[in-house]
Amino acid sequence: SQKIEQNSEALNIQEGKTATLTCNYTNYSPAYLQWYRQDPGRGPVFLLLIRENEKEKRKERLKVTFDTTLKQSLFHITASQPADSATYLCALSFEGGGNKLTFGTGTQLKVEL
Amino acid sequence: GAGVSQSPSNKVTEKGKDVELRCDPISGHTALYWYRQSLGQGLEFLIYFQGNSAPDKSGLPSDRFSAERTGGSVSTLTIQRTQQEDSAVYLCASSRGGGYSNQPQHFGDGTRLSIL
Repeated sequence: SQKIEQNSEALNIQEGKTATLTCNYTNYSPAYLQWYRQDPGRGPVFLLLIRENEKEKRKERLKVTFDTTLKQSLFHITASQPADSATYLCALSFEGGGNKLTFGTGTQLKVEL
Repeated sequence: GAGVSQSPSNKVTEKGKDVELRCDPISGHTALYWYRQSLGQGLEFLIYFQGNSAPDKSGLPSDRFSAERTGGSVSTLTIQRTQQEDSAVYLCASSRGGGYSNQPQHFGDGTRLSIL
């Protein structure tokens, strides 16, 4: 069966450290992988998109890697802050799929002082 | 407004009743999506509209679910004869269209539906 797996347990880290979240998928060949942030009671907010032929993408304190051989994406937040505390979702889309997204269940990140 | 607007924000109804959920996308976005998020679950795709093309209904869980998009803008998701398993947050998103798979989606804050 097709699966997108993210760390099911919450990730607690100390302020200033780098948070690393994983997204693993099976039985997919996505064209694009996106990361979203979701706060309680709110809709997801887009963060980054990476294409299958890109290895890495950065935006400010965020970095995403995409390894289509391992079928894995890593999402890094450097110099983490308490305001980064949220649930982070990875999502896949496919060529010809019309941009509908298939989401993982998300990883809850808590950055502590 | 500047973002995707959904109404109502909360809806409580009795089992067996019909409900309508509304989504007002970002102006100029030709693509509109409906997702459902159940407690502890990821977002589940329901239906996708792109311009004047026939919608992609492949995610609708049963024929009790339907959606329409009038005038290429506002969309309504209708659930008939609601069941308790329909309880979830229903999220709407829009994006610049073209049917390409690389467009960020902009989400509303959802309608929290509770079936008693």
